[in-house]
Amino acid sequence: EDKVVQSPLSLVVHEGDTVTLNCSYEVTNFRSLLWYKQEKKAPTFLFMLTSSGIEKKSGRLSSILDKKELFSILNITATQTGDSAIYLCAVGGGGATNKLIFGTGTLLAVQP
Amino acid sequence: KAGVTQTPRYLIKTRGQQVTLSCSPISGHRSVSWYQQTPGQGLQFLFEYFSETQRNKGNFPGRFSGRQFSNSRSEMNVSTLELGDSALYLCASSLVYRGGIDTEAFFGQGTRLTVV
Repeated sequence: EDKVVQSPLSLVVHEGDTVTLNCSYEVTNFRSLLWYKQEKKAPTFLFMLTSSGIEKKSGRLSSILDKKELFSILNITATQTGDSAIYLCAVGGGGATNKLIFGTGTLLAVQP
Repeated sequence: KAGVTQTPRYLIKTRGQQVTLSCSPISGHRSVSWYQQTPGQGLQFLFEYFSETQRNKGNFPGRFSGRQFSNSRSEMNVSTLELGDSALYLCASSLVYRGGIDTEAFFGQGTRLTVV
């Protein structure tokens, strides 16, 4: 059965800290791995990764994929209170479909 | 351009009733997927529609159904509501996956359904 596992489940840090969120997966016919940030309702897109070893960056956020070991990490440097959210990892695969398989998410709380 | 629009934003229903939720995708996006989000289970895939046809379906009972119209708008219906159906229902729109070219999904604000 396809599955995506995220760790840790929750994390509390102070502003300025650096955090690393983990995502491992076992998905048939893997195609892509996506990271989303969910603050209140709508998950907002962060990154899509399809190739191993190529880091994607956006400001203080970066992510990388390892297709051999079947995992990805999301790094956030110099955290701010506005980074507090649930971070979701999702994997697309399995043929001609846009279906995504999600992990349960990591709840990040950044304290002032 | 306008994002994904879901209506209504909130609903309270009684056990046994049925409910219909609506999703208007981003202009030009022809694939619409539905997800159920609960605290214990996270986001779980319900179904995906493309060109008015269901292209994929998750592991939900037959009480959950959907459809897509020619303008790509989609509706999902839940009949004979149960307390356990209380959840945030999210709709995602995407360009259609074509072999080798993947695209991200964009989510609406969701419909919060409470069954009492």
